[in-house]
Amino acid sequence: QKEVEQNSGPLSVPEGAIASLNCTYSDRGSQSFFWYRQYSGKSPELIMSIYSNGDKEDGRFTAQLNKASQYVSLLIRDSQPSDSATYLCAVNLGGGADGLTFGKGTHLIIQP
Amino acid sequence: DTGVSQNPRHKITKRGQNVTFRCDPISEHNRLYWYRQTLGQGPEFLTYFQNEAQLEKSRLLSDRFSAERPKGSFSTLEIQRTEQGDSAMYLCASSLVGATYNSPLHFGNGTRLTVT
Repeated sequence: QKEVEQNSGPLSVPEGAIASLNCTYSDRGSQSFFWYRQYSGKSPELIMSIYSNGDKEDGRFTAQLNKASQYVSLLIRDSQPSDSATYLCAVNLGGGADGLTFGKGTHLIIQP
Repeated sequence: DTGVSQNPRHKITKRGQNVTFRCDPISEHNRLYWYRQTLGQGPEFLTYFQNEAQLEKSRLLSDRFSAERPKGSFSTLEIQRTEQGDSAMYLCASSLVGATYNSPLHFGNGTRLTVT
């Protein structure tokens, strides 16, 4: 069973602090990793993608990938109330497989 | 707007009725995906198309579900003899090629189905 695991939360972070969201995946063949943000009642929107070990930064967001530990994380710096949402980790298995396998998502609350 | 478009946005139907949803992908995208999402869960893969060919179907896709993409452009998802357990958000997504880091999935706004 190929799985993507996330802590469902809620994760409560004060405004202006760093929010750290974590995700583990079971299949070592996984090649591409994505973070989506989903507001209540809305569809997922892509925040970042990463495929190589290390960090990738985009504005206030940093994705971190460690394939040896099968671990991917998302850091949100200077958290804003508008960052309050569910964050979905998604994994592409590669090797001819298609589509994405999603975790259940982490509900993030930024406290003003 | 050149994003993924889904219709209708909401559908309420009685148990046993048939429903059909439509998805218009981003025009240059070859891949089209259907997902289902229930409250508190991440999206679950149902099926995907490369152009008009349906290449993979999930075990979640019972024989009451059928999807088509007849001309490799828009797609329809039909649910026959709906059951209350079919109540969910049905999400369509498209991508240029497979879901790689440089060809991510872009989602439509979804169709929320309520079966009474």
